[in-house]
Amino acid sequence: AQSVTQPDIHITVSEGASLELRCNYSYGATPYLFWYVQSPGQGLQLLLKYFSGDTLVQGIKGFEAEFKRSQSSFNLRKPSVHWSDAAEYFCAVGATGNNRKLIWGLGTSLGVNP
Amino acid sequence: GAGVSQSPSNKVTEKGKDVELRCDPISGHTALYWYRQSLGQGLEFLIYFQGNSAPDKSGLPSDRFSAERTGGSVSTLTIQRTQQEDSAVYLCASSPRGYEQYFGPGTRLTVT
Repeated sequence: AQSVTQPDIHITVSEGASLELRCNYSYGATPYLFWYVQSPGQGLQLLLKYFSGDTLVQGIKGFEAEFKRSQSSFNLRKPSVHWSDAAEYFCAVGATGNNRKLIWGLGTSLGVNP
Repeated sequence: GAGVSQSPSNKVTEKGKDVELRCDPISGHTALYWYRQSLGQGLEFLIYFQGNSAPDKSGLPSDRFSAERTGGSVSTLTIQRTQQEDSAVYLCASSPRGYEQYFGPGTRLTVT
């Protein structure tokens, strides 16, 4: 069965430091991969997506993610974190079959120290 | 352009009452999803509409939950005889083709 694992429940970084949030998936074919961000009290916002092609994808707010097939990973990165990046981050993978649902990770909560 | 909108933003109801939650998707999006998110939890899939196909109801937690989508646009999620465990944020998302989803701000439901 397809699954998405976000190994880190909570991460805290200092403002200005680099960030990497991990995402591992289990899927039999080339997946569709997504990262979403949820700020407190808000809905989810799409940060970036991977469908095919270049394995390094750029997103909004200075985020990027790299698809590594050999590691079944799609880690999210940002070179310099801002205090406003404090939020919940969700990784998701497109499910197989005709039903175009997403399989969601449980999320990683990011704290940013001033 | 306009994003996904949901109403009401907050709803407080008494246990046993019925509630209706509304979702207005992005114009032209053929797919619509409903999720539930309990405090500090991830997303729980509820139901998925794609065009004129039969909806995928596999995530509905009980027969007290139902949803419809009229004219391929607006959707309503109905919870009958609400229970305290139904308290959560209900999120709606729409998609132009499926997979890539755009979310509304959610409806926070509190059952007292």
